[in-house]
Amino acid sequence: SYELTQPPSVSVSPGQTARITCSGDALPKQYAYWYQQKPGQAPVLVIYKDSERPSGIPERFSGSSSGTTVTLTISGVQAEDEADYYCQSADSSGTYRMFGGGTKLTVL
Amino acid sequence: QVQLVQSGAEVKKPGASVKVSCKASGYTFTSYGISWVRQAPGQGLEWMGWISAYNGNTNYAQKLQGRVTMTTDTSTSTAYMELRSLRSDDTAVYYCARDHFPISPSGWHIVWGQGTLVTVSS
Repeated sequence: SYELTQPPSVSVSPGQTARITCSGDALPKQYAYWYQQKPGQAPVLVIYKDSERPSGIPERFSGSSSGTTVTLTISGVQAEDEADYYCQSADSSGTYRMFGGGTKLTVL
Repeated sequence: QVQLVQSGAEVKKPGASVKVSCKASGYTFTSYGISWVRQAPGQGLEWMGWISAYNGNTNYAQKLQGRVTMTTDTSTSTAYMELRSLRSDDTAVYYCARDHFPISPSGWHIVWGQGTLVTVSS
């Protein structure tokens, strides 16, 4: 079955840039969405349609796409950005959606 | 304001069924879809499926087909997710989320319910 692959963890110091990748064969055809989840809370959408930022999400969050990989970039990371991040997309038919395994962002 | 309010926590025995509700308010219910996502303790997010509040069409995750049914009641702006033949590995927090499009599932979820903990234990 189709899968989205994320690194389990990424660590950065405050003020640095964090990049979280998500790989999948259907990503050239299907949009990716990124979610931030803090402990005990529902997920929050931070990027939609590969690179669009919802209202209220800080400008330091950005998204990009290249081939079979999409990337969430957090510039000038702050302590409050420490969370789990998940990509979501669909198989090539668009019928079945799935999440990546999640990446734990640690702010050192 | 726009919100989704889910039903309360449930404890079920293996083999039983559970039905979780998700009541929408603050927007036109039939202009969007509803997706269901679950998260087992300490694990990642799992997409369970989607229902159109516009026409009732559904898409279910392959691993859950045959055990899950998603429905809506447009008169009360409420979505329901029923999971049958419960197993211990169905223990999870179940979320509903408003899907941006009414005709087909997307990953575009701005509004989420608060989550419903379903515990399956003998």
